[in-house]
Amino acid sequence: KNEVEQSPQNLTAQEGEFITINCSYSVGISALHWLQQHPGGGIVSLFMLSSGKKKHGRLIATINIQEKHSSLHITASHPRDSAVYICAAGGGSQGNLIFGKGTKLSVKP
Amino acid sequence: EPEVTQTPSHQVTQMGQEVILRCVPISNHLYFYWYRQILGQKVEFLVSFYNNEISEKSEIFDDQFSVERPDGSNFTLKIRSTKLEDSAMYFCASESPYNEQYFGPGTRLTVT
Repeated sequence: KNEVEQSPQNLTAQEGEFITINCSYSVGISALHWLQQHPGGGIVSLFMLSSGKKKHGRLIATINIQEKHSSLHITASHPRDSAVYICAAGGGSQGNLIFGKGTKLSVKP
Repeated sequence: EPEVTQTPSHQVTQMGQEVILRCVPISNHLYFYWYRQILGQKVEFLVSFYNNEISEKSEIFDDQFSVERPDGSNFTLKIRSTKLEDSAMYFCASESPYNEQYFGPGTRLTVT
């Protein structure tokens, strides 16, 4: 059974700080997703990774398949980045996602 | 940009009543999913659907739950006889040909 662990559970940062959220999973997967959940509850997909690194604006996601570990980085953090960031590991097509508990990020001005 | 839509955004129902949650996936997607998130807990997989049949389901998805795609566009989750513990946010997702899942905004179900 695949387990997905995230750290930290809660993170408070000052505006402008560089932020890292970590995710580890226990079995081989074909894809790892980073998702963002805002206080209203809606989920937005940020990245899907199967190898290497992806960048979108101030967000960077990396994955190390051998170590079963992924990180989400936010550069020059801003209060609007405040949200819960969720890591989800899955088997690609036909594969349901197994979710981590999420990291609650609060960025203070 | 195409998006997954869900209706209603919030549904309040009494215990024992049937509810139907609706989702319109993105049009060229072939795999569809339902997930739920009980308040304060992590998101959990319920069921996946492909080619008009269930491809995988979790232990949560018991006989009280059913899914169908009645008209080629809507994808529905039915709970036959709701229980208090069914109160949760229900998310629909559809999967692109590149295996990326796109989530709907969710339906908050409150069972009283």
